[in-house]
Amino acid sequence: DAKTTQPNSMESNEEEPVHLPCNHSTISGTDYIHWYRQLPSQGPEYVIHGLTSNVNNRMASLAIAEDRKSSTLILHRATLRDAAVYYCILRGYSGYSTLTFGKGTMLLVSP
Amino acid sequence: GAGVSQSPSNKVTEKGKDVELRCDPISGHTALYWYRQRLGQGLEFLIYFQGNSAPDKSGLPSDRFSAERTGESVSTLTIQRTQQEDSAVYLCASSLFRDGVTDTQYFGPGTRLTVL
Repeated sequence: DAKTTQPNSMESNEEEPVHLPCNHSTISGTDYIHWYRQLPSQGPEYVIHGLTSNVNNRMASLAIAEDRKSSTLILHRATLRDAAVYYCILRGYSGYSTLTFGKGTMLLVSP
Repeated sequence: GAGVSQSPSNKVTEKGKDVELRCDPISGHTALYWYRQRLGQGLEFLIYFQGNSAPDKSGLPSDRFSAERTGESVSTLTIQRTQQEDSAVYLCASSLFRDGVTDTQYFGPGTRLTVL
């Protein structure tokens, strides 16, 4: 799977929007962009994924650049429960099924 | 329904002992994965089972590590002659195999292994 680059940490205030960036300049045409998050002392949980078009679900939105070399996970109103490490992961057919986790972005949310 | 469960939640062992870690996947999930997470690090892939196919063992760090899965149910990860560097949280995940690329993986709470 191609490599992703994320900031080590970000801070936000409660009830404000959060934009978590991810760079993946070597993405291939068939790579999907997945986001997982890991709350303290828990296993990771799925957040969202997309290929080319922007995606929305109950947890977040995923904005994908037109050239697909970067993407942004958007939490519309951060809550204290959203404090976690967020992982941006590419999955392609050559590296099927397994998730390759980097170090992710630690999101700190202040009341 | 029930999520992925793992046991024990914590395991403390002495260097050189063997340990067995158990994972119960979500019922009906044909794919099962083991990962390891050292303190402050990201997850490392260990092994992957999918249906009746031969498991992908490419992530196992040494021949002291092995895993088995009975059909499409329980899996056991065994670490023989444990070393201090084996101390980590061992995470299991399962998924309903669709295409291997868009499948969502559901993780268990992990087993924290401490080797003294």
